[in-house]
Amino acid sequence: NAGVMQNPRHLVRRRGQEARLRCSPMKGHSHVYWYRQLPEEGLKFMVYLQKENIIDESGMPKERFSAEFPKEGPSILRIQQVVRGDSAAYFCASSLGTGTGELFFGEGSRLTVL
Amino acid sequence: LAKTTQPISMDSYEGQEVNITCSHNNIATNDYITWYQQFPSQGPRFIIQGYKTKVTNEVASLFIPADRKSSTLSLPRVSLSDTAVYYCLSGLEQAGTALIFGKGTTLSVSS
Repeated sequence: NAGVMQNPRHLVRRRGQEARLRCSPMKGHSHVYWYRQLPEEGLKFMVYLQKENIIDESGMPKERFSAEFPKEGPSILRIQQVVRGDSAAYFCASSLGTGTGELFFGEGSRLTVL
Repeated sequence: LAKTTQPISMDSYEGQEVNITCSHNNIATNDYITWYQQFPSQGPRFIIQGYKTKVTNEVASLFIPADRKSSTLSLPRVSLSDTAVYYCLSGLEQAGTALIFGKGTTLSVSS
């Protein structure tokens, strides 16, 4: 059973470009979380999605950031018009959503904005 | 905001037992306490979870007093490879509830 798969693992963008980060949850998991981690800092919650629904996006900036988790395919975190401050590691986690309290994390996507 | 408070950092030596305490004064009745470990450049991984009293697995033990306002992660005989950030969370992973991580405790193990 493959774990949470994130791609790309590393992404370099110039200011003003778009970044798309993809996350394939573990098989059978219908809940996806996105977190952002700046260097030397903890994980910051961004958004929580279920299939075709955004459950909680309270941690996601209102502008330039969007997330989706379609019925088919991976979850996508999209950052438009990237700025240097968007440089960070973006982690995706998935869960069964049955209350086990266990999130399974991917290895992260590291975005560098030049 | 994270619902837990834990020390920013701790230092230890190989072979020692390390206890990391986490405060969660406002823990809800249905909340579990969960600990994650994160190595540099990797995603966090689940270590242990409990609701009350004591839970032990092959990696660690978790002690939760009766009032559940705090918990202690115990790592027996740490090694250099236990150097990592440890996160304590209180909450319940279920529909509609996002799990919020705090800053974690950076454990440094020296030889």
